[in-house]
Amino acid sequence: EIVLTQSPATLSLSPGERATLSCRASQSVSSYLAWYQQKPGQAPRLLIYDASNRATGIPARFSGSGSGTDFTLTISSLEPEDFAVYYCQQRSNWPPEFTFGPGTKVDIK
Amino acid sequence: EVQLVESGGGLVQPGRSLRLSCAASGFTFDDYAMHWVRQAPGKGLEWVSGISWNSGSIGYADSVKGRFTISRDNAKNSLYLQMNSLRAEDTALYYCAKDRSGWYNFDYWGQGTLVTVSS
Repeated sequence: EIVLTQSPATLSLSPGERATLSCRASQSVSSYLAWYQQKPGQAPRLLIYDASNRATGIPARFSGSGSGTDFTLTISSLEPEDFAVYYCQQRSNWPPEFTFGPGTKVDIK
Repeated sequence: EVQLVESGGGLVQPGRSLRLSCAASGFTFDDYAMHWVRQAPGKGLEWVSGISWNSGSIGYADSVKGRFTISRDNAKNSLYLQMNSLRAEDTALYYCAKDRSGWYNFDYWGQGTLVTVSS
């Protein structure tokens, strides 16, 4: 099973600052990595798929990069609505095994 | 507008069964694979099961294999999860999620239905 590790666990920043979130896979997942945002009491929302493609309706301040085992989600300038938990996710093998990282909480400093 | 509405959750004793449903609208249901993803209270996300558009391919997480059965009815635009031999560790919010493409990620999610397994 591929294990995803996210760092840091918590990121304390102010609105307008840049956020850089990391996701590391225990073995290569090629570019098949997605990022989700989850706010309290809400379902997750797909932000980025295939490592660097923004999902429908996602603002340009969100960007993803990486391949293989190391991936980054960058929020260029935090808006108040961006404070949330962010999860990375991959799928490997067939039959499929989907795994999520433990999440990074972005909170207001 | 894509909508996924889960139902069927509730309080159930260990060892008993429960069937979850997900009603889909706003997209061509039988064009897409569908999934169940769960989240234990205060915890992270765990994929539970997925099913292809024609039910020809099905997958389960090891934690539920042999106990849970996923199915779909394309005529009713509905997804189901039959959960048998429930355990305390199955307690979670269960989300129905639409596959974006090719069984790689999930682009729309319902609001979830809560399953609590307790005596």
